[in-house]
Amino acid sequence: DIHMTQSPSTLSASIGDRVTITCRASQSITTWLAWYQQKPGGAPRLLIYKASTLQSGVPSRFSGSGSGTEFTLNISSLQPDDFATYYCQQYNSYLLTFGGGTKVEI
Amino acid sequence: EVQLVESGGGLVQPGGSLRLSCEASGFTFSSFWMHWVRQAPGKGLVWVSRINSYGGSTDYADSVKGRFTISRDNAKNTLYLQMNSLRGEDTAVYYCARETALTGSFFIDVWGKGTTVTVSS
Repeated sequence: DIHMTQSPSTLSASIGDRVTITCRASQSITTWLAWYQQKPGGAPRLLIYKASTLQSGVPSRFSGSGSGTEFTLNISSLQPDDFATYYCQQYNSYLLTFGGGTKVEI
Repeated sequence: EVQLVESGGGLVQPGGSLRLSCEASGFTFSSFWMHWVRQAPGKGLVWVSRINSYGGSTDYADSVKGRFTISRDNAKNTLYLQMNSLRGEDTAVYYCARETALTGSFFIDVWGKGTTVTVSS
């Protein structure tokens, strides 16, 4: 199985900050990577797929980059609605695997 | 509106069985591969199983292989997960999820709100 590692596990930030979350794959997944946002008690929400393609309806302050084994999710200017946990997920293999999550807190 | 609504969760004793259901609406259910993903309390997301659009092909995580069975009824727009020989480590919120229609991609683009399964004596 492909193992996904996210860092940091927790991130403290303020409104307006630029935030960067890193995701590393245990082997190359080219650009077969998605990012999800999950709020407490809620279901995950797709933000980005194919490493950098923004899902319809997702604010443009979110962006993704990377290929191979290293990827990043950026939030250009953190908004109150963005405090949540973020997960990366590889789909290079049908055995989908997720990163451990990054909690973005105030 | 695209919607997935799970049901069937609850409290079950170790070794017991439970069947989860997921009713889909707002899209052509029979055209999409579907997944189950779970999340233990305070933990991350873990993929459980997937099924192709007509139900003829299934895949499972090693942790549930031989105990869980995914199935679907396209006439009823419903996805199922039959869970047998349940263990404490199966305690989680179980999400029903839709795989994207983009050719060659397996990511999930729609999630249900989840149903909670608790395995305890």
